[in-house]
Amino acid sequence: AQKITQTQPGMFVQEKEAVTLDCTYDTSDQSYGLFWYKQPSSGEMIFLIYQGSYDEQNATEGRYSLNFQKARKSANLVISASQLGDSAMYFCAMREGHPGGGADGLTFGKGTHLIIQP
Amino acid sequence: NAGVTQTPKFQVLKTGQSMTLQCAQDMNHEYMSWYRQDPGMGLRLIHYSVGAGITDQGEVPNGYNVSRSTTEDFPLRLLSAAPSQTSVYFCASSPQGRGYGYTFGSGTRLTVV
Repeated sequence: AQKITQTQPGMFVQEKEAVTLDCTYDTSDQSYGLFWYKQPSSGEMIFLIYQGSYDEQNATEGRYSLNFQKARKSANLVISASQLGDSAMYFCAMREGHPGGGADGLTFGKGTHLIIQP
Repeated sequence: NAGVTQTPKFQVLKTGQSMTLQCAQDMNHEYMSWYRQDPGMGLRLIHYSVGAGITDQGEVPNGYNVSRSTTEDFPLRLLSAAPSQTSVYFCASSPQGRGYGYTFGSGTRLTVV
């Protein structure tokens, strides 16, 4: 079974609209972290936002917010007021286990290709 | 502050050749890891390290070897390259502790012919 599922292979959105990118995850750990990364056509991986499993509030970073629904194991990324420069691949990722406990690394979903249209 | 530096950026190998992808970070991060990215597959974890002298396998370790003799460096060795190892390889590092994401290098595009 996939640990990270992104069900939207591609999305087209009009500029200035808000967009929600879906991510569901599967883990039996109580302590974990959820991340979103942006990969523009140039190829670099850009960290956008983080949500810890024990965090009460949804994470926000500028125009990015993470809609965290723990019971549903959902961690959707919301981009407000989309811009042409937001066109890119977006990856949801999870880090399981306690840091210092020996296991580490990120598990990624397959990504969503977001295209912002003028 | 260079962050995570990967070399080379591009490489073409013949089947059966060996090579080492270099990764260095200057942020004094404890955790480092290697990923490969194939079309439609997202990134998959190859090997990771939680400190100097400590490494372990990720999801797709076969055909790759790693060592971590210093905090700064985490090279990835391809023992006998195969066409199935054609991919983009990313190295990443992170501080120890919850709440920290990984900082990624710019990647190495490897083609095995």
